[in-house]
Amino acid sequence: SAVISQKPSRDICQRGTSLTIQCQVDSQVTMMFWYRQQPGQSLTLIATANQGSEATYESGFVIDKFPISRPNLTFSTLTVSNMSPEDSSIYLCSYRREGLTDTQYFGPGTRLTVL
Amino acid sequence: AQSVTQLGSHVSVSEGALVLLRCNYSSSVPPYLFWYVQYPNQGLQLLLKYTSAATLVKGINDFEAEFKKSETSFHLTKPSAHMSDAAEYFCAVSSMDSSYKLIFGSGTRLLVRP
Repeated sequence: SAVISQKPSRDICQRGTSLTIQCQVDSQVTMMFWYRQQPGQSLTLIATANQGSEATYESGFVIDKFPISRPNLTFSTLTVSNMSPEDSSIYLCSYRREGLTDTQYFGPGTRLTVL
Repeated sequence: AQSVTQLGSHVSVSEGALVLLRCNYSSSVPPYLFWYVQYPNQGLQLLLKYTSAATLVKGINDFEAEFKKSETSFHLTKPSAHMSDAAEYFCAVSSMDSSYKLIFGSGTRLLVRP
């Protein structure tokens, strides 16, 4: 599987500010995904990021709050905008390994704390 | 629509004992099923996956899972727990459509007692 990395690994931010999280894969992939994991919770899909098209957002997530870029087949960013303490979570990106299994591989996550 | 239920938010076993983590799925079509593990302060690591080949699937670190269609289950087992197995375990099912989404269970935290 390809190596997937995220930056930053963690951050502490003030409410009202924005943070952009970067996700890098060391080979070209078609589909990338962004998930949120709130404290003590499971993973919830925020959106699917496809290169060359707008991201597809899940119910409850909007582009103004979580803008996503996908400029090429190896990179994506997620911005958490106008943050509040409720945005404190781990944000994970993943990519889909295409083929029969359609397996997703995950990055190490970004631990965000909003004060 | 696909869904996953993990029974037991916490499971505690003694070191050397059998590990059994339960996962039941709901799917309108034959599913793809996955188990992921999340160690403290880390991302998710794929343990194993079922993709309609063999019903008994072997994964990393001696974990295995058996797909039982009649019971709609995909329980994760390991014969002998190690202290290093303490982590959060997530069962997931593929959406089986063009979105390729994963639907995750609520997770089970495995505690291993010395």
